[in-house]
Amino acid sequence: DTGVSQDPRHKITKRGQNVTFRCDPISEHNRLYWYRQTLGQGPEFLTYFQNEAQLEKSRLLSDRFSAERPKGSFSTLEIQRTEQGDSAMYLCASNPGETQYFGPGTRLLVL
Amino acid sequence: GQQLNQSPQSMFIQEGEDVSMNCTSSSIFNTWLWYKQEPGEGPVLLIALYKAGELTSNGRLTAQFGITRKDSFLNISASIPSDVGIYFCAGQTDGGSQGNLIFGKGTKLSVKP
Repeated sequence: DTGVSQDPRHKITKRGQNVTFRCDPISEHNRLYWYRQTLGQGPEFLTYFQNEAQLEKSRLLSDRFSAERPKGSFSTLEIQRTEQGDSAMYLCASNPGETQYFGPGTRLLVL
Repeated sequence: GQQLNQSPQSMFIQEGEDVSMNCTSSSIFNTWLWYKQEPGEGPVLLIALYKAGELTSNGRLTAQFGITRKDSFLNISASIPSDVGIYFCAGQTDGGSQGNLIFGKGTKLSVKP
């Protein structure tokens, strides 16, 4: 399978804990995006990488969120001191040009 | 900020019927994309539109990029049970946004066999 992969697929954590998600984009796709999707809504943009450079962050990305793409391949999204409002599906997408291909997402539940 | 209005919010149809859904925006987009999402999965790309007025088909799916660049529609002909899911439109602009997508809220499609 050469699509976008995400790990883990599900995560349950207690409020206040830190969590980290991983995204492996399609090989050779230089752009990588993170989105958040809550129930009944479409995905909302969080941040974007061109190779290893983080070029844009949404206002949704609070100080507790940090994303990295150290070698321009896989990316990690960390949420520190999780809050119940962080419960959502976190989606990763990659593209070589204009069309974005999404991974299966990581569903986070904060208790 | 930019918003997409997607309608209808949900549809309940009989197998074999045709389906039509649309998206409108107050802003101009340079690319329109249509995705389908099933429960617990990420959105899967159905059709991508890159030029105003463009009409593109993918099997039983047909989508058009509105001439004003502020709207798009998706039609599904002869629906089947596996068409069930949530359909999202997404628009993309050039320039400072670096290509991040703006999504509608989705159209939930239910197909009765």
